[in-house]
Amino acid sequence: EAQVTQNPRYLITVTGKKLTVTCSQNMNHEYMSWYRQDPGLGLRQIYYSMNVEVTDKGDVPEGYKVSRKEKRNFPLILESPSPNQTSLYFCASGRKNTGELFFGEGSRLTVL
Amino acid sequence: AQRVTQPEKLLSVFKGAPVELKCNYSYSGSPELFWYVQYSRQRLQLLLRHISRESIKGFTADLNKGETSFHLKKPFAQEEDSAMYYCALRGLSGYSSASKIIFGSGTRLSIRP
Repeated sequence: EAQVTQNPRYLITVTGKKLTVTCSQNMNHEYMSWYRQDPGLGLRQIYYSMNVEVTDKGDVPEGYKVSRKEKRNFPLILESPSPNQTSLYFCASGRKNTGELFFGEGSRLTVL
Repeated sequence: AQRVTQPEKLLSVFKGAPVELKCNYSYSGSPELFWYVQYSRQRLQLLLRHISRESIKGFTADLNKGETSFHLKKPFAQEEDSAMYYCALRGLSGYSSASKIIFGSGTRLSIRP
């Protein structure tokens, strides 16, 4: 089944403890992106990648890192999480230069 | 700067009534507009795009460049239309714009029986 898979789906952690949210897609999409969803603010783009080894900042990249070593994977790394990173995170993928995105189920992160 | 505005957080209408979800955008070049939908316990998914000019599940949306709007409409609401709806924009000018897909804050549509 063609899909975007995120893990973990739920995570509670403490300030400063490094964590990684994985994202994998099996549709051979060039484009991948991370969004965070917060009440009243909609989906805000964190980072995106146009292809392997090509990543760029979105609108809210502070406190996050990403890597794109393989086409299918696009992990989101929080080196030192803080409470303001408590949010619902979505990974998405799509063919390059189209606006059709395929989303993961979301990862709800709580930083205490 | 690119911006998408959905002025209504919540829209509640009766079954069979017409629905209009508002979306206004700000973009200096030529945009591509989309509507995404998230049904309860399902993933966010594309509903329709302005380029296709198609009707999906009875919904249509027309891009009005003069008013910079892309409102989503359906003449007769059904209970299964209850969901969260997001308007999104992709710029068609320049590398960075093509990479940014900007979403509005979303409107929760609730259809009352």
